[in-house]
Amino acid sequence: KQEVTQIPAALSVPEGENLVLNCSFTDSAIYNLQWFRQDPGKGLTSLLLIQSSQREQTSGRLNASLDKSSGRSTLYIAASQPGDSATYLCAARPFSGGYNKLIFGAGTRLAVHP
Amino acid sequence: EAQVTQNPRYLITVTGKKLTVTCSQNMNHEYMSWYRQDPGLGLRQIYYSMNVEVTDKGDVPEGYKVSRKEKRNFPLILESPSPNQTSLYFCASSFRLGYNEQFFGPGTRLTVL
Repeated sequence: KQEVTQIPAALSVPEGENLVLNCSFTDSAIYNLQWFRQDPGKGLTSLLLIQSSQREQTSGRLNASLDKSSGRSTLYIAASQPGDSATYLCAARPFSGGYNKLIFGAGTRLAVHP
Repeated sequence: EAQVTQNPRYLITVTGKKLTVTCSQNMNHEYMSWYRQDPGLGLRQIYYSMNVEVTDKGDVPEGYKVSRKEKRNFPLILESPSPNQTSLYFCASSFRLGYNEQFFGPGTRLTVL
């Protein structure tokens, strides 16, 4: 059964820092891995989608990598800003035992202070 | 604008009073699903639908019903809500299963007294 873990659970950094959020998954047989942002009490905004055949995806200051062999994905945020403060969720879509859904991690709560 | 919409966004109700949360997408997506999000438990899938008239249970289907009569709509029905169904609910859609990106609605915060 696929399990997704995110470390750290919370992170507080000063504005301008480059930071890395970690996501690990137990079963490498996945279609893709998706990173989301969630603001308090709000919906999920898709940030990046990495297909199983890809190694990384970039969007603006965000870069997500995928290493299926080690069961890891990282989200790199460059030059962090207070507006980046949110909870970041990663989710894997497995081939089997639940290919119809995303398996979510518990999230990393990020606070960027001025 | 391509989007998933949910209504209502907030709802306070009492135990046993039937309610429906609507979900609609304008992207001609085949696949739709419902999740609930609870502190400490993360997001868990309730039901999903692979296309019109095709629905199936997710991880936590008890106490919920769904229907998919039209491609764009996927309502979530609580026939007799109970306090343990107090949660934040999300509808999601994607073009198909597998490789496609999932898009989420803004969420419905439900409180059952």
